[in-house]
Amino acid sequence: EPEVTQTPSHQVTQMGQEVILRCVPISNHLYFYWYRQILGQKVEFLVSFYNNEISEKSEIFDDQFSVERPDGSNFTLKIRSTKLEDSAMYFCASSFGLANEQFFGPGTRLTVL
Amino acid sequence: GENVEQHPSTLSVQEGDSAVIKCTYSDSASNYFPWYKQELGKGPQLIIDIRSNVGEKKDQRIAVTLNKTAKHFSLHITETQPEDSAVYFCAARLQGAQKLVFGQGTRLTINP
Repeated sequence: EPEVTQTPSHQVTQMGQEVILRCVPISNHLYFYWYRQILGQKVEFLVSFYNNEISEKSEIFDDQFSVERPDGSNFTLKIRSTKLEDSAMYFCASSFGLANEQFFGPGTRLTVL
Repeated sequence: GENVEQHPSTLSVQEGDSAVIKCTYSDSASNYFPWYKQELGKGPQLIIDIRSNVGEKKDQRIAVTLNKTAKHFSLHITETQPEDSAVYFCAARLQGAQKLVFGQGTRLTINP
């Protein structure tokens, strides 16, 4: 069964450093998403991406964040200058269409020291 | 914007009994309500969903009910088994929107 994959599973970084989280969505899906979950809190939407551009984003997704689909399979989330409060589990998801189910990857745990 | 509240935060039931988790949403324009199961170390896995044009949907031991008037929806698991132990999340999506708005999660423990 096709699934969303994410790498790395755990990333530790120093405050102020740049990180790139990687995702491989399900191959025939057209919509891609990033969500995050700070420990003990709700899963929060960050951004959605369709047709090589951001289609929706939350207030959390400020200038520190960017997304890219560098090739036909990968979807990345970049945090330019990490802060302590960026420590969270980051989930990638994908869906075939706007109204279709979103399938989530296993997540990347980001720890900012 | 949409807000989803989920109760209870923890639920412990005896194996074989039923479990019910409830969610309320704030925006009547929401029309899609998925439920996700998250096991330790894994991402959320879609287990069932319901759209606003139906009131109930069932898949084997799992069912979801939706009350649009009251703006709440519930997950029902019957004949619970140890492998049902996990964190369950409800979510809602506004018509035409892309983002899912999640509830706080319910940690379900099935006691043998």
